[in-house]
Amino acid sequence: NAGVTQTPKFRVLKTGQSMTLLCAQDMNHEYMYWYRQDPGMGLRLIHYSVGEGTTAKGEVPDGYNVSRLKKQNFLLGLESAAPSQTSVYFCASRSVFPLENNNEQFFGPGTRLTVL
Amino acid sequence: QKEVEQDPGPLSVPEGAIVSLNCTYSNSAFQYFMWYRQYSRKGPELLMYTYSSGNKEDGRFTAQVDKSSKYISLFIRDSQPSDSATYLCAMSEAAGNKLTFGGGTRVLVKP
Repeated sequence: NAGVTQTPKFRVLKTGQSMTLLCAQDMNHEYMYWYRQDPGMGLRLIHYSVGEGTTAKGEVPDGYNVSRLKKQNFLLGLESAAPSQTSVYFCASRSVFPLENNNEQFFGPGTRLTVL
Repeated sequence: QKEVEQDPGPLSVPEGAIVSLNCTYSNSAFQYFMWYRQYSRKGPELLMYTYSSGNKEDGRFTAQVDKSSKYISLFIRDSQPSDSATYLCAMSEAAGNKLTFGGGTRVLVKP
């Protein structure tokens, strides 16, 4: 049981390049999230998905696109990378079932992205 | 102004001391309060979870919520070097809703 995994772990891009970050979870969770973490800013929600084939905007969606073609995967795309997108990106997933705390989100190890 | 405020630290304490962390928030609709722990270069993991006001204890960890003051706290007793991490508070208005995170407090426990 790997939990939430993210690919790649590190990446350096030049301004204007594109890339896709992959998140995979093996817990059969319905909800998946993409966050970015910047110093002193905490985790800010980029996009999220409440199920296969659905996506929704979060707090800071501009410059990013997402897709959830399979329940276990959630992809984050940067079409034209900018230096302001230099950050650590975290994926998380959550079950919808009313466990004692269905607020618990399980996070991946993160992807460190630098845009030059 | 941020919806959730948290002192970034770093907070440095000697081993065995009590670590006291807190967050203030402005949204009175928040009902669910969480503390996540994040080790360096790792993803956050849930440490404590409380609903509404009151205290919750789990081993060396105690979480307190004071909704009247819009203030939450986390206490770590008998701190260990392995407690050195960044602690993030998080809140939501309803169960399963989106979480709003504080900026995190970095804690360093020195042997």
